[in-house]
Amino acid sequence: EAQVTQNPRYLITVTGKKLTVTCSQNMNHEYMSWYRQDPGLGLRQIYYSMNVEVTDKGDVPEGYKVSRKEKRNFPLILESPSPNQTSLYFCASTKKDRASGNTGELFFGEGSRLTVL
Amino acid sequence: GEDVEQSLFLSVREGDSSVINCTYTDSSSTYLYWYKQEPGAGLQLLTYIFSNMDMKQDQRLTVLLNKKDKHLSLRIADTQTGDSAIYFCAESIGSGGYQKVTFGTGTKLQVIP
Repeated sequence: EAQVTQNPRYLITVTGKKLTVTCSQNMNHEYMSWYRQDPGLGLRQIYYSMNVEVTDKGDVPEGYKVSRKEKRNFPLILESPSPNQTSLYFCASTKKDRASGNTGELFFGEGSRLTVL
Repeated sequence: GEDVEQSLFLSVREGDSSVINCTYTDSSSTYLYWYKQEPGAGLQLLTYIFSNMDMKQDQRLTVLLNKKDKHLSLRIADTQTGDSAIYFCAESIGSGGYQKVTFGTGTKLQVIP
């Protein structure tokens, strides 16, 4: 089954304690991205990756890091979490190539709800 | 610039039609999308429209695109309780290898039985 898998789904942590949210896709997609969802603000892009070893900042990258060592994995790292990073996080992937018939549909994971105390 | 706006909430009675509206600012959008988010789940693509189209119909769903006014709408006919969800409008901008997708704030649709 084609899917994007995120872990953990739920996490409560304390300020300053480093954490990693993992994301893995089995569709051989080149493009992967992280979003955060906050009430009234919709989805905002944190970081994205066009391919292995290629990452770039989205609209709200402060306080986050990512890596793309393998095509299928794109972990999100919070080196020193703060309460304003309490949010619902989504990983998504898609084919990069806009060949005929490719609409650019993003495939999303089920989300990771993070609370930073 | 890129900015996608939606109203936050819509309530309709079961069996009525729902119309969810969206405005965007970037006239170079290539695709415009509607994603659906059910409670506790990620977003799933509901439908999309290419920027050179005015209308697209898919069963109970009708998408209208007014490029002049940069306005996109999603009409759901015969709305059912299972349609209760958050609906996100999104636009795809760019060319070549990378197209940035910008999402709206989402409209929460409540269907009253």
